[in-house]
Amino acid sequence: EADIYQTPRYLVIGTGKKITLECSQTMGHDKMYWYQQDPGMELHLIHYSYGVNSTEKGDLSSESTVSRIRTEHFPLTLESARPSHTSQYLCASSELGSGGAKETQYFGPGTRLLVL
Amino acid sequence: AQTVTQSQPEMSVQEAETVTLSCTYDTSESNYYLFWYKQPPSRQMILVIRQEAYKQQNATENRFSVNFQKAAKSFSLKISDSQLGDTAMYFCAFMNHLLGQGAQKLVFGQGTRLTINP
Repeated sequence: EADIYQTPRYLVIGTGKKITLECSQTMGHDKMYWYQQDPGMELHLIHYSYGVNSTEKGDLSSESTVSRIRTEHFPLTLESARPSHTSQYLCASSELGSGGAKETQYFGPGTRLLVL
Repeated sequence: AQTVTQSQPEMSVQEAETVTLSCTYDTSESNYYLFWYKQPPSRQMILVIRQEAYKQQNATENRFSVNFQKAAKSFSLKISDSQLGDTAMYFCAFMNHLLGQGAQKLVFGQGTRLTINP
């Protein structure tokens, strides 16, 4: 079944640790996105990608970095986690091209990150 | 820059009632897309309904329908015969229509927490 997956779902980690949040989709989508969401708040775009070897920063400044080596995989990395990075991170994907249903973004279940 | 405003932080209705969630947006563009997403507690964000701005007809999906007023830049969601499973955060979102292969960025509202009571 085509879907979008995120691991881990929950992560508690100490300050200064390097972490990678995984996102994979099996829908063959070219476009992928990372959003940051504080509890009960709106989502803010932090990174996006048009396709392999393409990455761009989003509207909300973030100390995280992303890579897109494979179409289906869009990991997010924090080199040195801090308590201010505590949040929920949502990955999404959509088809390439414009118009109609192709604009719809499909979301993963999210990773809840707590940095102590 | 586009902005999306949801003026109702929380709403609560009884099961089987009809409820309307409001959303307004600000843009100078004429061609764009509007979405309602649902985020149940500790569960995945899912698409509820989508509206293309160039279509005058309001979108409907089973018990969910929208009232799209382009001139007023208003995009409300109506849930008929509400069910306990409709309890969730509801986000209104805006996306510009870009020609070519641009990454379509969603701009989200602050969300409305909807509770359906038995």
